Formats: sequence, C-alpha cells, structure tokens
Amino acid sequence: EVQLVESGGGLVQPGGSLRLSCAASGFTFSDYYMDWVRQAPGKGLEWVGRSRNRANSYTTEYAASVKGRFTISRDDSKNSVYLQMSSLKTEDTAMYYCTTGPCGAGACSFDFWGQGSLVTVSS
Amino acid sequence: DIQMTQSPAAMSASVGDRVTITCRASQDISYFLAWFQRKPGKVPKRLIYSTYRLQSGVPSRFSGSGSGTEFTLTISSLQPEDFATYYCLQHSKFPFTFGGGTEVEIK
Repeated sequence: EVQLVESGGGLVQPGGSLRLSCAASGFTFSDYYMDWVRQAPGKGLEWVGRSRNRANSYTTEYAASVKGRFTISRDDSKNSVYLQMSSLKTEDTAMYYCTTGPCGAGACSFDFWGQGSLVTVSS
Repeated sequence: DIQMTQSPAAMSASVGDRVTITCRASQDISYFLAWFQRKPGKVPKRLIYSTYRLQSGVPSRFSGSGSGTEFTLTISSLQPEDFATYYCLQHSKFPFTFGGGTEVEIK
C-alpha cells in the first residue's frame, strides 16, 4: 500500500525558512516523480513543484510563485522528498501535500497523496 | 504560464442530473488535462488524466473530453457522493496550473 506522510509544518515568521519532509513507502521510490501541491485557506489548489526520478537525473520544476525561494530535493536511500522553503511570505500559508504516482499515457504523479502539512506564515 | 479558466465557479444540481464542467486553457495543451475531485477534509482525488483516461476505480459516470484549449468533465448522473469541488490541471507545460475550481452543490 502506498503511503505518503508529510511532516515539518508549523508557524514561521515572514522572511523565515521551513523544511517539509514527505516519507514514502509501498513503492519503488527512486522510480517515481514526486510533486508538491498546496492549498491556501479558502483558495484553490496550486501546483508547487516537481522532482523527477533518478532516471531523469532528479531534475526539478517550480511554480513561478515559489521559484528562487523553494527547493525540492530527495533522498532515495530514505524514501523521502523535501521542500525547503525560504523567504516565506504570508501568502505561502497553506496546507502542503506531496503526491506521486506512476507515469503513463502522458501523465505522471497525482495518483497518491499525503494527508498534508500545514504551514502558517505570520508575525 | 498557461492560465486555466474553469466554468462555472459554482453550480447547484440535483441527484440524477447530468453535470458538465468546462476548463479553458490560454494556449494549446494538446490532450494533457486532468480532473480532480476535492471533498472537505479529504485529499484531492484524480478522476481523469490525459483528457479522457479514467483513473482506476473511478465510476464510469465520470467522463472527460476535449483537446487543444477546451475541455469538459461530465458526470452523467450525479450521485450524492459527487457533491464536491472539481479542479482541472494542465500537465502539458511547466509550470503546471490548476483551474480555479467548480463547487457542485446540492439543489
């Protein structure tokens, strides 16, 4: 059974940093792309970024709103993906989800979701 | 970035109704469009990917169509468990972008 468990959320001041972790189990982690998606209170879903798999050199992609401030990394030996967030803004307040899934028919990821980790940016 | 415009933003419907939600892309995304269902307190659930491919386990009353810039999600006969918010996502070009969502409420 695929499981994704996020951790590391909390309250942080504007301009601060935070690192979210997503621990995965139930599948061959190194084979899968990993994405982060967030949802701010009362708002819709927003794609944050992606880490490709080992076969694709672990390359990353980011939303414009977080590019240069957020970094996605992964440690296949720990079956974990990370979202390092810096220069946080109040508008980064959201529930953050990691998600993954196999690639097929032109689509990758988004099959399986963690329960989310809440990040609150406030002074 | 590609902008995804969903319509309507909200709708009221009755059990048994046929429901259609539209998603329009600001540029050609070929067939790289997915649909998600979001219920309060639950994580998003992917229903359809690559325009029409049904996620395993999703009821056949859900279907998707379209190409290029205009796409639709159709629920052929709305069931009580279908009352939720639906989002489209373009997975053609980075950065991926979601539509603003369509809340389907009970009439």
